[in-house]
Amino acid sequence: DQQVKQNSPSLSVQEGRISILNCDYTNSMFDYFLWYKKYPAEGPTFLISISSIKDKNEDGRFTVFLNKSAKHLSLHIVPSQPGDSAVYFCAASVTGGYQKVTFGTGTKLQVIP
Amino acid sequence: GAVVSQHPSWVICKSGTSVKIECRSLDFQATTMFWYRQFPKQSLMLMATSNEGSKATYEQGVEKDKFLINHASLTLSTLTVTSAHPEDSSFYICSATRLAGTDEQFFGPGTRLTVL
Repeated sequence: DQQVKQNSPSLSVQEGRISILNCDYTNSMFDYFLWYKKYPAEGPTFLISISSIKDKNEDGRFTVFLNKSAKHLSLHIVPSQPGDSAVYFCAASVTGGYQKVTFGTGTKLQVIP
Repeated sequence: GAVVSQHPSWVICKSGTSVKIECRSLDFQATTMFWYRQFPKQSLMLMATSNEGSKATYEQGVEKDKFLINHASLTLSTLTVTSAHPEDSSFYICSATRLAGTDEQFFGPGTRLTVL
């Protein structure tokens, strides 16, 4: 049972444009959502998070939006840069923190120069 | 800071043998270490959570006798895949949380296990 879903396995975006990565979840108990970025041969690194009491969190070029009623969140990267090319994992937790997170399947983002 | 290493980065073994994977926090003490496995085109699945000096807590469906976890110190956890079979071939990733600070997980680079 995949509780966190990323339906787009890959995404290609032109440099300078906006990248939008989507994530859906089924467990209404999730109260904390995280995005991780993973380069080949490296472990995932934390990128940005959002608590269920918010609907938006922004950090530089990265913004995460949460729509609780739709059980949907998205990561916006603007402007996209070639260095953003990586696999992005959406993750969720019921503990309000980083532990015991449930990961999505990942979306491979390619930013074309 | 907050670097986690894994050794080996890849390993090939024969069916029936055991393989040990090490996870080390290089520049911090880790209260808790996590072990994940990832099959191709699938998500990271948590296998177990371990705290230094105590028995690991395994997720449902993970065989504790097959995947032995030892967390002997605040900087080292090991995962031993016993009597490995081809279906155990996967990508194994560990993560660790700091002794002091938030409970953010810092991930290792992963170990690719191929069982022939």
